[in-house]
Amino acid sequence: EDQVTQSPEALRLQEGESSSLNCSYTVSGLRGLFWYRQDPGKGPEFLFTLYSAGEEKEKERLKATLTKKESFLHITAPKPEDSATYLCAVRTMDSSYKLIFGSGTRLLVRP
Amino acid sequence: DGGITQSPKYLFRKEGQNVTLSCEQNLNHDAMYWYRQDPGQGLRLIYYSQIVNDFQKGDIAEGYSVSREKKESFPLTVTSAQKNPTAFYLCASSIDGANTGELFFGEGSRLTVL
Repeated sequence: EDQVTQSPEALRLQEGESSSLNCSYTVSGLRGLFWYRQDPGKGPEFLFTLYSAGEEKEKERLKATLTKKESFLHITAPKPEDSATYLCAVRTMDSSYKLIFGSGTRLLVRP
Repeated sequence: DGGITQSPKYLFRKEGQNVTLSCEQNLNHDAMYWYRQDPGQGLRLIYYSQIVNDFQKGDIAEGYSVSREKKESFPLTVTSAQKNPTAFYLCASSIDGANTGELFFGEGSRLTVL
């Protein structure tokens, strides 16, 4: 069964304290891996697409990387406005229309 | 501004009632989706539509129904057959249904069963 697991469930950081969020996946064949940011009470907002192992994407303080089994979302020198839930999703070869989402990592950055 | 509009933002339902959640997009996207989000769980797909007048069941379609009569609109009806409807419902769209994981989401509708 295709599965996406995110860790940790929750993460508290001090402003400026860099860290990484993990998304591990077990799928029959990966067509793409996607990161989203979700603020409380809002819909998710698209961040990155990764297609193949070794690929990296960056946006401001965020960098997403991909291996054959997992993806990392690195947050460098985070600010309080980076506080949100970060969702990982995959699209598989078997069901190109559907995204399989992980349960997310709740990030809190304290000033 | 282009985007997805969901309404209502909050909705309360009595046992045995059907309710309809509205979703409208002006992005000219072909594909539209309904997801359900429960605390501690990932988003789960209820229904999706790749084109007008066509839609398919997702993983948790039981107790829900949809229609896609216009490209811009994809309403979701939560019927009385849905045993645990209290949840956060998210509508999304994408340029097409097969080649992109970049979904544009609305702000969600929170349904509470009294």
